[in-house]
Amino acid sequence: EDQVTQSPEALRLQEGESSSLNCSYTVSGLRGLFWYRQDPGKGPEFLFTLYSAGEEKEKERLKATLTKKESFLHITAPKPEDSATYLCAVRMAGNMLTFGGGTRLMVKP
Amino acid sequence: NAGVTQTPKFRVLKTGQSMTLLCAQDMNHEYMYWYRQDPGMGLRLIHYSVGEGTTAKGEVPDGYNVSRLKKQNFLLGLESAAPSQTSVYFCASSYSYGGPKNQPQHFGDGTRLSIL
Repeated sequence: EDQVTQSPEALRLQEGESSSLNCSYTVSGLRGLFWYRQDPGKGPEFLFTLYSAGEEKEKERLKATLTKKESFLHITAPKPEDSATYLCAVRMAGNMLTFGGGTRLMVKP
Repeated sequence: NAGVTQTPKFRVLKTGQSMTLLCAQDMNHEYMYWYRQDPGMGLRLIHYSVGEGTTAKGEVPDGYNVSRLKKQNFLLGLESAAPSQTSVYFCASSYSYGGPKNQPQHFGDGTRLSIL
């Protein structure tokens, strides 16, 4: 059975304190791994797509990396506006997504 | 560009009542999806559609029905609401899998539904 697990469930950082979020997956044939950001009261907002082990994508203070079993979302020198829930999802056959439970990130000034 | 629009944004129902949630997208996407999001459970797929006039079951379809009469609209219905259906419902749309490789699912801002 395809599974996606995110850790930690919640993460508190001081502004400027870099860290990483983890997304581990067990799927039969990865067709893409997606990272989304979700703000309170809003829908998920797309950040990155990764397709093959070794691939990396960057956007401002965020960098996503992918191995054969997991993906990391690295946050460098975070700011309070980076506070949000970060969701990881893997694509199955037919463009269906299986989501992890998310990591709630809180960055304090 | 509005993207994905969901109506209503909030609703409170009594057990046994029925209602329909509406999703509209203006991106000409072939695929549309309905998810529910519950604390600690993540997003779970209820039903989806791969084109006008088609629907299919997702992970948690029981108690829900859907219709896709027009390409831009996807309706989610609750025939007899139950307290277990209290949740936040999200609609999403995307190109088909054979479309542009990097195209993700685009989400609306959700409908918050409470069943008393």
